[in-house]
Amino acid sequence: QVQLVESGGGVVQTGGSLRLSCAASGFSVQVYGMHWVRQAPGKGLEWVAYLRSDGSTELYADPAKGRFTISKDTSRNTVYLQMNSLGVEDTAVYYCARNIWGGPPILFSYFDHWGQGSLVTVSS
Amino acid sequence: QSAPTQPPSASGSPGQSVTISCTGSSSDIGGYNYVSWYQHHPGKAPKVIIYEVTKRPSGVPDRFSGSKSGNTASLTVSGLQAEDEADYYCSSFAGTNNLVVFGGGTKLTVL
Repeated sequence: QVQLVESGGGVVQTGGSLRLSCAASGFSVQVYGMHWVRQAPGKGLEWVAYLRSDGSTELYADPAKGRFTISKDTSRNTVYLQMNSLGVEDTAVYYCARNIWGGPPILFSYFDHWGQGSLVTVSS
Repeated sequence: QSAPTQPPSASGSPGQSVTISCTGSSSDIGGYNYVSWYQHHPGKAPKVIIYEVTKRPSGVPDRFSGSKSGNTASLTVSGLQAEDEADYYCSSFAGTNNLVVFGGGTKLTVL
């Protein structure tokens, strides 16, 4: 069955970097687009980044642009989120989620599977 | 672009129905029929319960239903059960720049 397992979270100081991993099983990340979504403490869900299945398109929410990079290793069936220049506002649980698209040109219809999340705490 | 607006809380007694609204704009909810709803129990993975405005994934009870009128989408939970107590989020496709927007979330309490 489909499973997504995030790892790599932890405590990092302001201005530091962290790389999150999302190990996928039960399907291939070469076939599905993937997202990162986060939830800050006491707040709602916030979309962070998207990588198209063929790797041709990366999209980012404004807070992530220029600081975060989404990528994947198809040999490991794993998706990554490299986060640089972290600030306290990036403290959140980070979820990876599988994309279901709506057919061209609709890149996103809904998230059909989610991981359990990885906590990132940015400390000043 | 601002996030769609949801009421922060909603409640109902077991067996009752409750409707949660999600008001966006013509750039997201009003512009596309790609609204989805997620149930999120704290500490667990969110779960899709409605996609493409009205469709239910396999395994989701038909007590959950979705609709849309103009820029506002709605989730109705009928025959409330204790296990329905959770946070609910709407989401919508928002074009190829912003891609995805989430509503602020609604905490549903079963009294």
